[in-house]
Amino acid sequence: GEDVEQSLFLSVREGDSSVINCTYTDSSSTYLYWYKQEPGAGLQLLTYIFSNMDMKQDQRLTVLLNKKDKHLSLRIADTQTGDSAIYFCAETPGYALNFGKGTSLLVTP
Amino acid sequence: DSGVTQTPKHLITATGQRVTLRCSPRSGDLSVYWYQQSLDQGLQFLIQYYNGEERAKGNILERFSAQQFPDLHSELNLSSLELGDSALYFCASSGSGAGQYNEQFFGPGTRLTVL
Repeated sequence: GEDVEQSLFLSVREGDSSVINCTYTDSSSTYLYWYKQEPGAGLQLLTYIFSNMDMKQDQRLTVLLNKKDKHLSLRIADTQTGDSAIYFCAETPGYALNFGKGTSLLVTP
Repeated sequence: DSGVTQTPKHLITATGQRVTLRCSPRSGDLSVYWYQQSLDQGLQFLIQYYNGEERAKGNILERFSAQQFPDLHSELNLSSLELGDSALYFCASSGSGAGQYNEQFFGPGTRLTVL
C-alpha cells in the first residue's frame, strides 16, 4: 500500500520549537496519532487529533491537520533534551495503525 | 509502564528454527495487535485479535501465526526463521476492536535476532 511519509531526521537546539511533519494516505482515518519511541522502549501515545478538527493543543504539543493536503504536523514548544526520541505519525485505515517510518528528533544543549 | 507485558525481552536463535513470543494485554483490553519493527520496513502491522478471534491481518508472512487465548493473552509463532526476520516485535492492546478512538498501548517489545 501507500506509505505514510515523514522526514527521517530533525535537529533543534534546546528551548527552540520543533515541527515534525507527516503526509498520510487514508482520507477516511477518523483519528490520527502521534507516538513517541525512546531508545530501547516501546511506543507511547503522545497525542491524537480527530479528523474533523484543524488543530489540537495539549500543553507543549500542538497538532495541525490539513485534510485537503493530508498533512499532519506536530509542534513541540520549548523543546528539551528529554524530547530526543523517534516520533511516529499513524493513520487508522482500519483496525490497526499504519505508521510512518518515524522522525528522529535530536535536541542539542 | 503501559500495562502490556511481553516475554521474552530478547531472543537469539538460528535460521530454520521456530520461536514463540508471548504478550499479556492490559487488564480489561480485548484487542491485541502484533507489529514488527525493522530498519528497512519500519513499523508494520501483522495481525489483530479481538476477544479470541482474528479481526484483521496485515503484512504477516505465512510462516507466522498467532492466537489469542481465553485469558486474552496472545502468542505470535514464527517458524522457518530467516535472517530477515530479525526485528523488534511489539504487542499492543486496546479496549475496543473498531475504528473509533482506539488508543493502543504498546508493550516493551521482544527483540529477535536470527543468526
